[in-house]
Amino acid sequence: QKEVEQDPGPLSVPEGAIVSLNCTYSNSAFQYFMWYRQYSRKGPELLMYTYSSGNKEDGRFTAQVDKSSKYISLFIRDSQPSDSATYLCAMRNAGGTSYGKLTFGQGTILTVHP
Amino acid sequence: NAGVTQTPKFRVLKTGQSMTLLCAQDMNHEYMYWYRQDPGMGLRLIHYSVGEGTTAKGEVPDGYNVSRLKKQNFLLGLESAAPSQTSVYFCASSYRLEGEQFFGPGTRLTVL
Repeated sequence: QKEVEQDPGPLSVPEGAIVSLNCTYSNSAFQYFMWYRQYSRKGPELLMYTYSSGNKEDGRFTAQVDKSSKYISLFIRDSQPSDSATYLCAMRNAGGTSYGKLTFGQGTILTVHP
Repeated sequence: NAGVTQTPKFRVLKTGQSMTLLCAQDMNHEYMYWYRQDPGMGLRLIHYSVGEGTTAKGEVPDGYNVSRLKKQNFLLGLESAAPSQTSVYFCASSYRLEGEQFFGPGTRLTVL
């Protein structure tokens, strides 16, 4: 079983839709949670970063973490064609020998069509 | 600032050939990483470095070697390429171990 599971999609939505992207994890040591966005043939770039349960909002993006359920989500409001990309969740431990190393989900391919 | 750059962008190798991928960063970051990205597998850490002259194994290190002779450069070597090493390779760097990782544009490698 993979430590981080992410639905690969693909996900296709119309412009203006609310998008929900999700990851589950099994390692209780994960304390820091990130979402990366990766455009086609580009490197990933950090979109959201959080380390506590609850919601974090940045513009049209909201990251949600539920540590009790080992579940994280990224919501995109009023989605735009420019949001079309692969979204990767990533997690890291708070300490121990794996401290600092990121574990990534498989990535979800999102297409927002006009 | 160029950020993180990778050379080459594309490469085709035959089984058994060797090559070196070069990663360079101009952000004075201590930490550097090599990942590979395969369909359905996400990004997996190959090797990483916590400073000049140091390297450590990641999740999938077999078949690869690395060197960090200069702080700004991190080299990934394939001594005898295998078709299983066909992948997209990403280099990343960060200022702190727990800090944001900045990624390069990737190298697409095909081993025939």
